[in-house]
Amino acid sequence: DVKVTQSSRYLVKRTGEKVFLECVQDMDHENMFWYRQDPGLGLRLIYFSYDVKMKEKGDIPEGYSVSREKKERFSLILESASTNQTSMYLCASSRTGGASYEQYFGPGTRLTVT
Amino acid sequence: DQQVKQNSPSLSVQEGRISILNCDYTNSMFDYFLWYKKYPAEGPTFLISISSIKDKNEDGRFTVFLNKSAKHLSLHIVPSQPGDSAVYFCAASERTSYGKLTFGQGTILTVHP
Repeated sequence: DVKVTQSSRYLVKRTGEKVFLECVQDMDHENMFWYRQDPGLGLRLIYFSYDVKMKEKGDIPEGYSVSREKKERFSLILESASTNQTSMYLCASSRTGGASYEQYFGPGTRLTVT
Repeated sequence: DQQVKQNSPSLSVQEGRISILNCDYTNSMFDYFLWYKKYPAEGPTFLISISSIKDKNEDGRFTVFLNKSAKHLSLHIVPSQPGDSAVYFCAASERTSYGKLTFGQGTILTVHP
């Protein structure tokens, strides 16, 4: 059974703190993605990675950075958390090539910044 | 600029009837379309997809229709069941984008018993 896991289901952090969100996939997928989900805005892509140590900005990268040192792990970093980064964060992975663009998602991390 | 739009935030349907969820897109480079379903406190799960070379794809109770000239796709669920109550997202991808998906805002479907 394919699996994407995220390090925490719920996190509460203070403004200005550095926050690490970790994602691990066990499907040997090349591509990994970080999204945030907000009501009325759907899923918006923050960053993605198509290979180890490679990263590309998504639609809303400001205030975030990422790290991919191993194929199975993709980390999202909030350098200095702000209240407008309170959101649901979703990690996903997918295989390169093939006929399908299907992405597999983790359960999400609900981050609250106070 | 929202390239994928779901203009109905919510839809309410009686059990056993048809649910029709709609999605519009603006980017003519999109060539693959997917629907995802999301329950609260869970990640989205893949439901059904369609390539731009087709106009219909069916999987059990779920059918996706694609109208390329109108840049419109729809998801039909027949018959609807209470367990179908969830948020539905449509998504689109370009062939050369490392599988990057652009999602719509989502539609909350409620199926009443």
